[in-house]
Amino acid sequence: GAVVSQHPSRVICKSGTSVKIECRSLDFQATTMFWYRQFPKKSLMLMATSNEGSKATYEQGVEKDKFLINHASLTLSTLTVTSAHPEDSSFYICSADMRGGSGELFFGEGSRLTVL
Amino acid sequence: GDSVTQMEGPVTLSEEAFLTINCTYTATGYPSLFWYVQYPGEGLQLLLKATKADDKGSNKGFEATYRKETTSFHLEKGSVQVSDSAVYFCALLINQFYFGTGTSLTVIP
Repeated sequence: GAVVSQHPSRVICKSGTSVKIECRSLDFQATTMFWYRQFPKKSLMLMATSNEGSKATYEQGVEKDKFLINHASLTLSTLTVTSAHPEDSSFYICSADMRGGSGELFFGEGSRLTVL
Repeated sequence: GDSVTQMEGPVTLSEEAFLTINCTYTATGYPSLFWYVQYPGEGLQLLLKATKADDKGSNKGFEATYRKETTSFHLEKGSVQVSDSAVYFCALLINQFYFGTGTSLTVIP
């Protein structure tokens, strides 16, 4: 099946630094990529939707200047958490919608961010 | 608004026991319904889906029926195995995906 890979799977950083998380579709082209945030015992929260070559669409309440999303190609999207703070610590998951597919989402393994 | 409510876990069962994980939804239109599974250390994977009322999705011995009258999509399996231990997410798709909180299942030998 279609594979989506996220990197890094775990990252620890100091408060005030920026962290980049990559999301790649390994064997298909992704029309759209989605970034989710998962809080403990909460559902996945959609942060933003990105299409290749255009600006990401952010959900209400998500700071676009803090969570920078770049969708440089049909196989790569990146999420950069800028000036990270401890409250940004969370599990971030990306997913991709296969171009020409049935609408099924393919998910990455997730990235655990811990901000000290 | 559109949302999914699923049964809280964790759920612990003995091997070969019957499994039900409840899921109900609220939607303004006609959603498609999904169950995703997340095995330890892996991303979410589609387990099964149903796109219209009365459809039954099935895969790997799991089943769920799209019940419009009760707005439900309960996940069932007649005989669970240790390898079914994972977190299960119910989701609906209507313009975008909405996920439940996930239910952790542990199956003990």
